[in-house]
Order: sequence, then structure tokens, then C-alpha cells
Amino acid sequence: EDKVVQSPLSLVVHEGDTVTLNCSYEVTNFRSLLWYKQEKKAPTFLFMLTSSGIEKKSGRLSSILDKKELFSILNITATQTGDSAIYLCAVHLRGTSYGKLTFGQGTILTVHP
Amino acid sequence: DGGITQSPKYLFRKEGQNVTLSCEQNLNHDAMYWYRQDPGQGLRLIYYSQIVNDFQKGDIAEGYSVSREKKESFPLTVTSAQKNPTAFYLCASSKDGQPQHFGDGTRLSIL
Repeated sequence: EDKVVQSPLSLVVHEGDTVTLNCSYEVTNFRSLLWYKQEKKAPTFLFMLTSSGIEKKSGRLSSILDKKELFSILNITATQTGDSAIYLCAVHLRGTSYGKLTFGQGTILTVHP
Repeated sequence: DGGITQSPKYLFRKEGQNVTLSCEQNLNHDAMYWYRQDPGQGLRLIYYSQIVNDFQKGDIAEGYSVSREKKESFPLTVTSAQKNPTAFYLCASSKDGQPQHFGDGTRLSIL
């Protein structure tokens, strides 16, 4: 059975802290790994990772994939209260033209002023 | 602007009642998906459709049904057979190889 596990499940930090969110996976037919941010409603896309060791960066957020050890991390530096959200990791599977996303449980991040 | 529209935002179901959640997209995406989100459990796939008039069960399809008569529309019916329907329902769409885009969701509760 395909499995995606995120840790920690929740995290409370203060503004300015740096956080690292983890996502490990055990799936067949891996195609890519995606990170989403969900504030109140629709998850919004952050990164898609397909190759090991190549860091993707957007402002204070960055992410990297390790296909040998089957995990990814999402780093957020100099956190702000607007970073408070659920961060979702998902794995995109091959096998069909479009594949399916298998999601982890999510990490609830709370950033206090 | 292109996007995914889910309606209604809030829905209440009585015992023994079927309810239908609407999902419409104008992104010209071929594939559409329905997810259920419960606290602490992330998103779980209910049904997905790659083309019109075709759909497949996801991981938790029991008690749900869908149709895909038009490319733009993928409604989800929560039947009376679904004994624990209270959840946040998210619809998504995608083109091959591209990240899924999500709607704003429908929150379903039991009366």
C-alpha cells in the first residue's frame, strides 16, 4: 500500500524562527513529490520535485528531494505569522496518463508574533 | 480568470438524504478529482476522472458517486450509505504532468 508520512504533525514557533518539515514516502511508481500550503480553504501549490538533490527555492521557502532515502524536506526561514497554515506533502504516481496524488497527514504550523 | 468553483460552501444533510456537491472548472483541464479532508488525516481520494464519461474509484469511494458528462463539471453525490459524511470536500483538476489546482471546498455537516 502506498504511504506518505509527514512529521511533525504540528509545530509552534515564533516569528523569525527557521522550521524544517519532513515528508517520507513508500510508494510504487513514483513520478514526483509536491508540496502545498493550505491556509483556510484551497491548498495552493508550492513546489514540485522530480530529481534528487536539486533544491527548489521561492523566497524564504525551499525544498529538496532524496529519492534514495525516499524523503523530502520543506524549509521556511525567518518565519512570519502569514506562514501559519497546514503544509501538505503529496506523491504523484505513474501508471496512468495523469496519475493520482497520495497525500500525507499534513503538518500544522503556527507562527506566533 | 480561470479557476475551480465549488458550491455550496456549506451544506447540511439530514438522515437518509443524498446530497450533491458541485465542481466546475474553466481551466480546460482533462482530469478532475474529489478529496475528503478530516482533521489530522490529510486528503483522501474519493473518485477521479481522466476524460469525459469515464471515472475511477479512489481510496474511499464507498458511499459516494460521481458523473462526468461534461469536461468542465464533476459533481459528487454523498449518498445515505455514507455513514460519516461530515468532512471538508475538495475538488481539483489538472493537465498531465502539472500540479493539481484546487477549489475552495465544501464543508458538509449532518443535521
